Amino acid sequence: DAGVIQSPRHEVTEMGQEVTLRCKPISGHNSLFWYRQTMMRGLELLIYFNNNVPIDDSGMPEDRFSAKMPNASFSTLKIQPSEPRDSAVYFCASSFGQGLGNYEQYFGPGTRLTVT
Amino acid sequence: AQKITQTQPGMFVQEKEAVTLDCTYDTSDPSYGLFWYKQPSSGEMIFLIYQGSYDQQNATEGRYSLNFQKARKSANLVISASQLGDSAMYFCAMREVNQGGKLIFGQGTELSVKP
Repeated sequence: DAGVIQSPRHEVTEMGQEVTLRCKPISGHNSLFWYRQTMMRGLELLIYFNNNVPIDDSGMPEDRFSAKMPNASFSTLKIQPSEPRDSAVYFCASSFGQGLGNYEQYFGPGTRLTVT
Repeated sequence: AQKITQTQPGMFVQEKEAVTLDCTYDTSDPSYGLFWYKQPSSGEMIFLIYQGSYDQQNATEGRYSLNFQKARKSANLVISASQLGDSAMYFCAMREVNQGGKLIFGQGTELSVKP
């Protein structure tokens, strides 16, 4: 059974370019999360979806960031225009359920983004 | 205020010994869950153990156990019989039911196991 799939695994781009990160959650999971990990800020939630609907995007840094989930099996995180401070590892995670229970989040391998 | 605090940036432990990684949390939500994840140098996030706020007993998963002290708002991870492969970053995280499904992570503790 495939886990959470992210692409690309590595992305190097120049400042000002558009970057699109992709995620395929585990089949049957109804929640999808985008996290960013940096040395300075640690792991921070950017946005999450439940049943394809964005529930909390308070972690999205600014208007340059946008995320979509057009269906249950695909999500994108787009940065336009990219800046060097966006360099980080971006994780996608999925889970089933939200209430009180062991609804662990399964993480993808991450996309390491470098903006020069 | 920090929701999740891990006060040990780095720790060393001798192989085969037990080690405790500290985690304290702050919430006013009576319903919450606490998670520990492991991140080896390869970068993936691996789920280790979960404790619900209403669970009466401490969670255990193999060599991992969670020392849950609700009144103190602490959820320390205990790794017994450390192995070289346990060397990694360890993150404590909390999910508050009133806040939906999102996890809030601590800053992590880097554990190094010495042979």
